[in-house]
Amino acid sequence: SQQGEEDPQALSIQEGENATMNCSYKTSINNLQWYRQNSGRGLVHLILIRSNEREKHSGRLRVTLDTSKKSSSLLITASRAADTASYFCATAPDSWGKLQFGAGTQVVVTP
Amino acid sequence: DAGVIQSPRHEVTEMGQEVTLRCKPISGHNSLFWYRQTMMRGLELLIYFNNNVPIDDSGMPEDRFSAKMPNASFSTLKIQPSEPRDSAVYFCASGTRRPDYEQYFGPGTRLTVT
Repeated sequence: SQQGEEDPQALSIQEGENATMNCSYKTSINNLQWYRQNSGRGLVHLILIRSNEREKHSGRLRVTLDTSKKSSSLLITASRAADTASYFCATAPDSWGKLQFGAGTQVVVTP
Repeated sequence: DAGVIQSPRHEVTEMGQEVTLRCKPISGHNSLFWYRQTMMRGLELLIYFNNNVPIDDSGMPEDRFSAKMPNASFSTLKIQPSEPRDSAVYFCASGTRRPDYEQYFGPGTRLTVT
C-alpha cells in the first residue's frame, strides 16, 4: 500500500518559475525522502529530512516537514527544463530501511 | 562506482515462460530491494533483504514470484510461469541501514509478457 500521497498529480510550469508539491502520509516515520524519476530511468534520491527536522535545503531544493500534520513539501526554485520528471516522496516507517513511496507528481517545465 | 546494475534491460517473453531478472547492488550496501512499477499500481515494494536474508516478502504478488540473494553482490527475481499482468518495469535498489538509508536504484528491467 502507498503511504505517501503527492499533490498535485501533475504540474506544468515555465522555466524560471518555482514548483511546489506536497506529500501527506499516514503513520509515524523515521525520515521522509524525495526522489526524482526521469522518463524511462530509475529513481534518484534528492533529499532526506529526519523526523526531528522542520526544513532542509539542497541547492535549488527546499523541503519542509510538519509531523503534526503528517505532511511534507518540496519546492524547486528557478525551475529548468531539465527538472521535468516525476517526483516521489517516500517514508521510512521503521529502521530496516524499507521505504513506502507515493504515487508521484509529474512535473513538466517548458522553456 | 558503477551503481546498481540490472540485467537484462528489456525482456519480452511469452506467457508461461520462466523469467529471471538479475541485480548487482552497490558494493558495501547491505540492503537490497525489489520493486515493480506500473501505471496502474505505481511503485510497489515486492521484497527486501538485509545482509542477504529476506526480511519482508509480503509484497510478492503470489507464489509464481520468488527472489534469492545467494551472496552480497547478487540477487535474482524469478517469475514462473509468467503472465501478461506481470508486464511492468522491475527495479532493484540497494542501500545501507545507517545512517539514513537512502536507496540507490538501478535502471530497471522492462518486462513484457505476451
